[in-house]
Amino acid sequence: DTEVTQTPKHLVMGMTNKKSLKCEQHMGHRAMYWYKQKAKKPPELMFVYSYEKLSINESVPSRFSPECPNSSLLNLHLHALQPEDSALYLCASSRGTPANYGYTFGSGTRLTVV
Amino acid sequence: KNEVEQSPQNLTAQEGEFITINCSYSVGISALHWLQQHPGGGIVSLFMLSSGKKKHGRLIATINIQEKHSSLHITASHPRDSAVYICAAYNNNDMRFGAGTRLTVKP
Repeated sequence: DTEVTQTPKHLVMGMTNKKSLKCEQHMGHRAMYWYKQKAKKPPELMFVYSYEKLSINESVPSRFSPECPNSSLLNLHLHALQPEDSALYLCASSRGTPANYGYTFGSGTRLTVV
Repeated sequence: KNEVEQSPQNLTAQEGEFITINCSYSVGISALHWLQQHPGGGIVSLFMLSSGKKKHGRLIATINIQEKHSSLHITASHPRDSAVYICAAYNNNDMRFGAGTRLTVKP
């Protein structure tokens, strides 16, 4: 298995809803990442987990809450989002130092906040 | 000024044409990554380079560390090559994305 699987592929949620995005990989990668991508812009790093511990939080609002229950799974819990949070949310994983091994990206979850 | 600059921003080509996409960076890097993103959103890794040249099928990537420049070439382009091509420059654990080049190949 050489993939990063993200679910759901599409999500529409209201501003008062609570939802979660899921990311899974079975490649034994120990680093996992959440990125946010707005239309026609490059991805922006949100969170980095290394060995299941949060190592980087790029000043992301608390309405986004990451969770790494085990080495294969990464969640992003969403609560009280705003319409401007609508974007493509990409998960990625890396075997080690990205400069040496690169990233494997998932297909993304396209989120619309109404 | 973005630390990673790509050109052109948009590129339209006819099927069969040779295509070049450029990436220049202003920071010292340890590696550079070329990525392909299709309209559905998923990102595919094409090449990781730290020196020289790599080839895979119709794709060729080159990097000149001294000139801080990398190019992605597509030979015999095809409509299925239509996508956004992104270069990402790594400095250890820090990565900077270029803004992407939107390629459209017309039949």
